[in-house]
Amino acid sequence: GDSVTQMEGPVTLSEEAFLTINCTYTATGYPSLFWYVQYPGEGLQLLLKATKADDKGSNKGFEATYRKETTSFHLEKGSVQVSDSAVYFCALSGRGYQKVTFGTGTKLQVIP
Amino acid sequence: DTGVSQNPRHKITKRGQNVTFRCDPISEHNRLYWYRQTLGQGPEFLTYFQNEAQLEKSRLLSDRFSAERPKGSFSTLEIQRTEQGDSAMYLCASAPANTGELFFGEGSRLTVL
Repeated sequence: GDSVTQMEGPVTLSEEAFLTINCTYTATGYPSLFWYVQYPGEGLQLLLKATKADDKGSNKGFEATYRKETTSFHLEKGSVQVSDSAVYFCALSGRGYQKVTFGTGTKLQVIP
Repeated sequence: DTGVSQNPRHKITKRGQNVTFRCDPISEHNRLYWYRQTLGQGPEFLTYFQNEAQLEKSRLLSDRFSAERPKGSFSTLEIQRTEQGDSAMYLCASAPANTGELFFGEGSRLTVL
């Protein structure tokens, strides 16, 4: 079945550092890929998405590119802020956007 | 506020009791999902509705779990004969058709003593 593998956390960075959170997936066909974020005390919310190979999703300075050849969707940000501290979940959905499968999450802590 | 609403937010129960959670989705969304999340893990898919039809249910889901979505509006998730292993956060999400973007509620935390 479909699955998502994320790098384990926690990830601790200093403010303005470069962020990469790795995500790889296993799925049949051509899934849509997502990053969700959960800020402390809040519910999960969509951060960005990409629906086909080579698409780049972007939002709030975060980017991720759908790489079919490496089955990856790594999350990047050039300069993190303390307010980016949260748990980040990579997810995928098959054709028709039915079941959405999540990774285990990566906790990011940004220190001043 | 027109977001996804879940009730109760916290439930403490004794082993063997039944519990029911309610989810009120965003009104124009026809898809509704239930997930379970334990500490340090990602959301685990439980079941999914399109309107009132339950289209998929996790094979991992015990028959003690049942979900309904009468009239395609709110949904309930019932857990019968609760066990300590059922302790978790139960998340509801809704989505419009054909977007893949889930809108989550804040969850209902279950503690089974």
